[in-house]
Amino acid sequence: NAGVTQTPKFQVLKTGQSMTLQCAQDMNHEYMSWYRQDPGMGLRLIHYSVGAGITDQGEVPNGYNVSRSTTEDFPLRLLSAAPSQTSVYFCASSMTSGGFYEQYFGPGTRLTVT
Amino acid sequence: AQSVTQLDSHVSVSEGTPVLLRCNYSSSYSPSLFWYVQHPNKGLQLLLKYTSAATLVKGINGFEAEFKKSETSFHLTKPSAHMSDAAEYFCVVSTGGGNKLTFGTGTQLKVEL
Repeated sequence: NAGVTQTPKFQVLKTGQSMTLQCAQDMNHEYMSWYRQDPGMGLRLIHYSVGAGITDQGEVPNGYNVSRSTTEDFPLRLLSAAPSQTSVYFCASSMTSGGFYEQYFGPGTRLTVT
Repeated sequence: AQSVTQLDSHVSVSEGTPVLLRCNYSSSYSPSLFWYVQHPNKGLQLLLKYTSAATLVKGINGFEAEFKKSETSFHLTKPSAHMSDAAEYFCVVSTGGGNKLTFGTGTQLKVEL
């Protein structure tokens, strides 16, 4: 099993550009989520999904969109990048409810917006 | 509502000495609590979790944590630090098995020779 994979590893965007961060898992997990990690702030939940076709907002959803058309994939879209979105982004998955089960994290995408 | 406070942003210990990383939580209902570790430029890995079973939880690499409801604490300990333990550690709370996990701000552990 590859676990949770994320692409790209690094990305530089100009303000106003859009892009999609890819996330895939091969463990047949129902629950998937996106976090951003900023210095001194821990990880903050952006969006999450409890199954294909179902998504919901987390703590910091503004400026991001998600969709979940398959169990395996959970892409994160930045609609119009802003410097405040410079961060490290982690995708995670778990068996079902995110609150009881171990989260499996991808290696992260380091995004810089200039 | 739920929140978690990691009381130390940096902890430095000598190799072979005990490690104590402190975490306090706030939760309206019965919490699930986790400790994750992040090595430099890596994703997070689960160390241990508490989900209302035994209050003393043993994890990987010799770490353990004790859930103390009266003190709303879930401190992480290890009897003897190893150089490979140097990393950032996150305390995480979830309420009632819900889908939203709240992370602490992290504690950077430094291990010196």
